[in-house]
Amino acid sequence: GQNIDQPTEMTATEGAIVQINCTYQTSGFNGLFWYQQHAGEAPTFLSYNVLDGLEEKGRFSSFLSRSKGYSYLLLKELQMKDSASYLCAVRGANSGGYQKVTFGTGTKLQVIP
Amino acid sequence: DARVTQTPRHKVTEMGQEVTMRCQPILGHNTVFWYRQTMMQGLELLAYFRNRAPLDDSGMPKDRFSAEMPDATLATLKIQPSEPRDSAVYFCASGFLGGAETQYFGPGTRLLVL
Repeated sequence: GQNIDQPTEMTATEGAIVQINCTYQTSGFNGLFWYQQHAGEAPTFLSYNVLDGLEEKGRFSSFLSRSKGYSYLLLKELQMKDSASYLCAVRGANSGGYQKVTFGTGTKLQVIP
Repeated sequence: DARVTQTPRHKVTEMGQEVTMRCQPILGHNTVFWYRQTMMQGLELLAYFRNRAPLDDSGMPKDRFSAEMPDATLATLKIQPSEPRDSAVYFCASGFLGGAETQYFGPGTRLLVL
């Protein structure tokens, strides 16, 4: 099975940097996703990591360490619109013919002025 | 701008009634997912289809839930009979198998069972 842990809530200041951590235990690993979900809306894809290291995409970066079962999402130059839940999701080993993606419960980020 | 569509967006019904939710995946995508999201449980996978064939429905209560893909442009999720504990947001997502299989989510159906 898969177990994913991420903080429930975080608060950060507009213009600052925030790091949202995600740790996972899985019987197999085939990639880690980060999704953003604004209140009342659907999750939207942010990033995908399958190899160790940092992937940068504008103000958002995602890091993965497979040996440590650890990832983080880094948000720079925070804006008020970044207030949302951030979901970590892990793609596991083949089981039943496909690689199941399991979502964490999400980290609710509040950006304050 | 290709996107996943879902109908209805909102549904209020009484306990015992049948509920049917529909999803149109992005054209060309060959995987479809149904999720249920509640405050307590987060996103739970209900069913997974690849090339219209169900590969995983282990997260779905079999006695009352059913999921089908009658064709490549339509996926349905039915609840019969519905119960108050089924109240949640139901998301459909589609993806393309190969590489990351990133999931693109529809806007969701907000279901309230009274």
